[in-house]
Amino acid sequence: GQNIDQPTEMTATEGAIVQINCTYQTSGFNGLFWYQQHAGEAPTFLSYNVLDGLEEKGRFSSFLSRSKGYSYLLLKELQMKDSASYLCAVRDPDSWGKLQFGAGTQVVVTP
Amino acid sequence: ETGVTQTPRHLVMGMTNKKSLKCEQHLGHNAMYWYKQSAKKPLELMFVYNFKEQTENNSVPSRFSPECPNSSHLFLHLHTLQPEDSALYLCASSPGLAGGTDTQYFGPGTRLTVL
Repeated sequence: GQNIDQPTEMTATEGAIVQINCTYQTSGFNGLFWYQQHAGEAPTFLSYNVLDGLEEKGRFSSFLSRSKGYSYLLLKELQMKDSASYLCAVRDPDSWGKLQFGAGTQVVVTP
Repeated sequence: ETGVTQTPRHLVMGMTNKKSLKCEQHLGHNAMYWYKQSAKKPLELMFVYNFKEQTENNSVPSRFSPECPNSSHLFLHLHTLQPEDSALYLCASSPGLAGGTDTQYFGPGTRLTVL
C-alpha cells in the first residue's frame, strides 16, 4: 500500500504564492498526479510527474523528488477562483489504473 | 467542462431500496472507474474496468455491484445500503493505455444519501 500526506488547509492572499507539499511512502512508484477540486464539483487534472524535476504549466508548477518521496504544487499569482481542494495522487506500480489519493489540501484565497 | 457525465446528480434512498448510478464518457476512452469520496477522507478507488473487463475490486462490499456493458458506459447498482455508504460517488475514465500518462478524467459525481 501507499501512505500519502498533505496539509489539511492553507490560507494565502490574492496575488501571492502558495506551495502545497505532498509526501508519500510506497514500495514502488509509477507517477504522481495533482488534481483541483472545487466544492461540489469533479476533480480536474492539473499536472503529472514521473521523473524528478519541475513541470510548469502557466501559473501552476509541480515538482517531484523520487528519492525523497516528495512532491509540491506551486500556485503563483493566486486568484480568488483558486480557492479549492488540491489532491495529490500516486499511481500504484503493481496495479495498473489504481491511484492512491491523499486527503486533499483546502486552499483558501483571501482578498 | 467534462466529457464524463453522471446521473442522477443527487439520490436519496432507504436502506431497503435498489437504485443504480449511471456514468457515460464521451472521450473515446477504454478504462472506467468508480470512486467513493466521503467528507474529509481521501478518494477511495472502488472498481476499475479496462476494455469492459473488471481489473480491480478494492474489497468493496457486495451491496455495490458494478456493470460495464461497453467502454462508454458504467453503472453502479446499489442494494440494501447502510447510512455510512452516504458519500459522493465519482466516475472517471482514462485512455487505458499502460505505459503512458493515462490521466483519469472525472465526472461531477452523484451525491448519495442513505436514510
